[in-house]
Amino acid sequence: AQSVTQLDSHVSVSEGTPVLLRCNYSSSYSPSLFWYVQHPNKGLQLLLKYTSAATLVKGINGFEAEFKKSETSFHLTKPSAHMSDAAEYFCVVSPSSGNTGKLIFGQGTTLQVKP
Amino acid sequence: EAGVVQSPRYKIIEKKQPVAFWCNPISGHNTLYWYLQNLGQGPELLIRYENEEAVDDSQLPKDRFSAERLKGVDSTLKIQPAELGDSAVYLCASSRTGIKEQFFGPGTRLTVL
Repeated sequence: AQSVTQLDSHVSVSEGTPVLLRCNYSSSYSPSLFWYVQHPNKGLQLLLKYTSAATLVKGINGFEAEFKKSETSFHLTKPSAHMSDAAEYFCVVSPSSGNTGKLIFGQGTTLQVKP
Repeated sequence: EAGVVQSPRYKIIEKKQPVAFWCNPISGHNTLYWYLQNLGQGPELLIRYENEEAVDDSQLPKDRFSAERLKGVDSTLKIQPAELGDSAVYLCASSRTGIKEQFFGPGTRLTVL
């Protein structure tokens, strides 16, 4: 069975400091992995995706994530936080086998950015 | 290109009343999804359509929930009767067939009193 665990429910950083949002996954197959962001009262927006190409994936707004199979991790990072990054972030797994289109979401991490 | 459209954005009803949500996917996206997002949690899939066919409705509580996508374009999700525990955000998403990336609408926030 596929699952994701977001290790922190809440992360607080100061503006201009690095961001690290942690995600571990469980999958019987080589999965596709995503990070989505959700701003208040807005729809979910795709930040980046890993689909078995390069293990270091660059996304929008300066975010990137590294797929580490040995650690079953897909942590999201950004070198310097901006106030506009404050939002809810979801790590998502989709099985590579077949094409069910099923996305399994983590519980989410709330990112707070302090001035 | 226009994004996924959902209406209404907010709905407040009393328990035991019916309610319906509407979704119009991105043009050309044959796959449509309805998700339920409870407060403080990630979205959970309710139903997935490929064109007009519901190909995965295993998580849809069929005693009170129903959905349709008659012409394979827009879709309606209905709850009848609503219960207090149905208060949540209902998200619609769409994708091109065979593509894993899904595009989400803004959601409908339902409050059942």
